[in-house]
Amino acid sequence: AQSVTQLDSHVSVSEGTPVLLRCNYSSSYSPSLFWYVQHPNKGLQLLLKYTSAATLVKGINGFEAEFKKSETSFHLTKPSAHMSDAAEYFCVVSFSSNDYKLSFGAGTTVTVRA
Amino acid sequence: SAVISQKPSRDICQRGTSLTIQCQVDSQVTMMFWYRQQPGQSLTLIATANQGSEATYESGFVIDKFPISRPNLTFSTLTVSNMSPEDSSIYLCSVLKGGVEQFFGPGTRLTVL
Repeated sequence: AQSVTQLDSHVSVSEGTPVLLRCNYSSSYSPSLFWYVQHPNKGLQLLLKYTSAATLVKGINGFEAEFKKSETSFHLTKPSAHMSDAAEYFCVVSFSSNDYKLSFGAGTTVTVRA
Repeated sequence: SAVISQKPSRDICQRGTSLTIQCQVDSQVTMMFWYRQQPGQSLTLIATANQGSEATYESGFVIDKFPISRPNLTFSTLTVSNMSPEDSSIYLCSVLKGGVEQFFGPGTRLTVL
C-alpha cells in the first residue's frame, strides 16, 4: 500500500539550532516528493521537491532534504532555525506520474524557542 | 509559478444550506484540484477537475455533496451542499504547473453552525 508517514507530530527547537523533520513513504515505485510549509492563517508554500534528479535537494529559506531510496525516506533539515520557521510542515508524495495526485503526511508542527 | 485567488476567504453558514467556493488562476492550467483540511488535520484530496471533462472524485467524496464546475482553463468552483457542522474545514484549490509542482490557493475557511 502507498502511504506517507511523518514521524514527529511536533518538534521544538531553540533558535539557531538544527531542525530535522522526518518523513518516510511506502511505494512500489520511485515517487515525486515534496515538502510544503503552512504558516498560521497563510497558504501552503512549496519548500522543495524531488523528482528523480539529485538526491540532495536544496529549497528555499535554507532548507534541504535528502532522498534515500534504500530507507524510503525524505527527511527535511535546516542547519540553524529562525523564529520565522515556526509553522506546520507537510511531507507530500505524488505516487503516480499520470494523475499528479498528492498525498499529504499528517504534518509536523515546529515551534522555535528564543 | 501561479497566482491563485479564492472567494470567499471565509464564511459562516447555517446547516442545510450550500456554499459555492470560487478558484481563479492567473494563467491557463489543465489540471486543478480541490482539497479539504479539517481542523487540526492534514489535507485530503476531494477531486481532480480538468477542463472539458467531469471531475474525478476520491473515495469518500461524491458529486452530490461536492459538485464541481470547470468552465474554462482559469476558473473552477466547488459547492459544499446541504452542509452540516462536520463540513467545517478549510477548502483549498490547487493547480498543476511546471510538470509536477502544485500551487495552492489561500483557502476558504468554512464554519457551519
